[in-house]
Amino acid sequence: DAKTTQPTSMDCAEGRAANLPCNHSTISGNEYVYWYRQIHSQGPQYIIHGLKNNETNEMASLIITEDRKSSTLILPHATLRDTAVYYCIVRVGNAGNMLTFGGGTRLMVKP
Amino acid sequence: NAGVTQTPKFQVLKTGQSMTLQCAQDMNHNSMYWYRQDPGMGLRLIYYSASEGTTDKGEVPNGYNVSRLNKREFSLRLESAAPSQTSVYFCASRPQGVVTAEQYFGPGTRLTVT
Repeated sequence: DAKTTQPTSMDCAEGRAANLPCNHSTISGNEYVYWYRQIHSQGPQYIIHGLKNNETNEMASLIITEDRKSSTLILPHATLRDTAVYYCIVRVGNAGNMLTFGGGTRLMVKP
Repeated sequence: NAGVTQTPKFQVLKTGQSMTLQCAQDMNHNSMYWYRQDPGMGLRLIYYSASEGTTDKGEVPNGYNVSRLNKREFSLRLESAAPSQTSVYFCASRPQGVVTAEQYFGPGTRLTVT
């Protein structure tokens, strides 16, 4: 699996967009980018995934650079409930299906 | 749907005791997983089951056994608990027939071994 690098922590003001970066410079052509988050003491929650194109769902948007070496998760209007650790994971789809969770980014949304 | 459920929510064991952590999912998923999360760390895969009747080791299988009882249930057993197994244990499941690796997680079991 490609290695990912994320900042250890970030702050965001409530109501503003939270932009969480992830570097995955060794990503291969068949690897997807997944984002999960873990709110304190809960199980991880799937947010979004993408291969090449930008993706949007009800929770977030995922912007993947054209060379696929980095991506950004965007929470358009962060709320206090978005305070969590956000994990960027790069994985081949349907290959063992195992997810490797690194350290993630601890996002603190402040009033 | 209840999604992925885990029992118990909390457990304290003495060193050498045994116990089984239970996991069930009602989403008709084929694949199921057990992870552990130590304080301040990311999750690590213990065992997984790609389908009913099959199990495979993950990153940290030592000290654990698993049973895929049926399509719904996947249990994790500690035969002789050690303090190093103090952790939060998460079960997850994944639907079949999808290309990507979206997983659904349970609420976790917080285990302390003294």
